[in-house]
Amino acid sequence: EAQVTQNPRYLITVTGKKLTVTCSQNMNHEYMSWYRQDPGLGLRQIYYSMNVEVTDKGDVPEGYKVSRKEKRNFPLILESPSPNQTSLYFCASSSPTRGYTFGSGTRLTVV
Amino acid sequence: GESVGLHLPTLSVQEGDNSIINCAYSNSASDYFIWYKQESGKGPQFIIDIRSNMDKRQGQRVTVLLNKTVKHLSLQIAATQPGDSAVYFCAEIAYGSSNTGKLIFGQGTTLQVKP
Repeated sequence: EAQVTQNPRYLITVTGKKLTVTCSQNMNHEYMSWYRQDPGLGLRQIYYSMNVEVTDKGDVPEGYKVSRKEKRNFPLILESPSPNQTSLYFCASSSPTRGYTFGSGTRLTVV
Repeated sequence: GESVGLHLPTLSVQEGDNSIINCAYSNSASDYFIWYKQESGKGPQFIIDIRSNMDKRQGQRVTVLLNKTVKHLSLQIAATQPGDSAVYFCAEIAYGSSNTGKLIFGQGTTLQVKP
């Protein structure tokens, strides 16, 4: 089954403790991206990657890092999480001829 | 600037009626439009898409209409069912020369289906 898999689904952490949210897709898509979803602000792009070793900032990249060492994986890294990064995060992959496929989401709480 | 908006935050319909969810977009260079459905606790799920060279596309119980003149997109759901209750987002992509394919979302409309 074609899918985007994120882990973990839920995470509660403390300010400053580095964390990584993993994302993997099995569709051989070149394009992957991370979004965060907040009430009243909708879905906003954090980072995207057009291919292996090619990443770029989206609309709200501050406080986040990503890497794309292989095509299927696109982890999101929070080096020093802060409470304003409490949000619902979605990873997505896409092909130019078809829309995006989203993961099930990671609900992150930073206390 | 780049933005995709929906006209109503909430739409309430009777089960069995048709639903129409509207969206206005501002980027006339957008090539591709998508409607997503998001149920509570889940990621956005693809419903239907349409390219800028089309004005109508039909799927199973859903129809998307695109009016490029007034930059308006709509999603029509026929015979709305309780399982259609969700938040619906329109989104646009302007591929352009960079071909980044950035997806820009609207704010979302919550569809409530009354039994």
